[in-house]
Amino acid sequence: LAKTTQPISMDSYEGQEVNITCSHNNIATNDYITWYQQFPSQGPRFIIQGYKTKVTNEVASLFIPADRKSSTLSLPRVSLSDTAVYYCLVGDNNNDMRFGAGTRLTVKP
Amino acid sequence: DTEVTQTPKHLVMGMTNKKSLKCEQHMGHRAMYWYKQKAKKPPELMFVYSYEKLSINESVPSRFSPECPNSSLLNLHLHALQPEDSALYLCASSQDHRYEQYFGPGTRLTVT
Repeated sequence: LAKTTQPISMDSYEGQEVNITCSHNNIATNDYITWYQQFPSQGPRFIIQGYKTKVTNEVASLFIPADRKSSTLSLPRVSLSDTAVYYCLVGDNNNDMRFGAGTRLTVKP
Repeated sequence: DTEVTQTPKHLVMGMTNKKSLKCEQHMGHRAMYWYKQKAKKPPELMFVYSYEKLSINESVPSRFSPECPNSSLLNLHLHALQPEDSALYLCASSQDHRYEQYFGPGTRLTVT
């Protein structure tokens, strides 16, 4: 199991771009990187998944350098409703992936 | 339908009670999961069902008993729980093990 390390918390302001970096030094060749968002008292919600380089969807971008030992989730122009916990998971299937401590993002007005 | 439903939303039970949590999905997903989440902690994987067969049990105490009656339903039977078992119990499903998981809203369980 590739262990992940994320900052415990981050603060931002509305309208700013937020970048959350996850370290996964022991990532295996077949592993991919998945990010989830969780609001209080709700189940996590899938945000984005990638294997290498850059992936973009309607809510976020995921940047993965060539060595794949880290990844960065980028949230453009955050709003108050983006205040949540963000989890980075690494593995080649859901059976091997475990939620780490996550990053608690607080967006301020 | 891209929803995972869980019932009940809240459950209070005594340590001698027997109760069940239910989870349902109609997305044709073949993998289903139970997680336990304590306040301000990440979700902890408990069980994984793959094609209706139990494939992972994360050393969960026997007072928790999972059941997968069919590909759309997942139950978690509870018996003789302890107060420390109070938590949010989350169900999730995925197309198979390589695809993203869809989570339900959870059942908030309180053991008195």
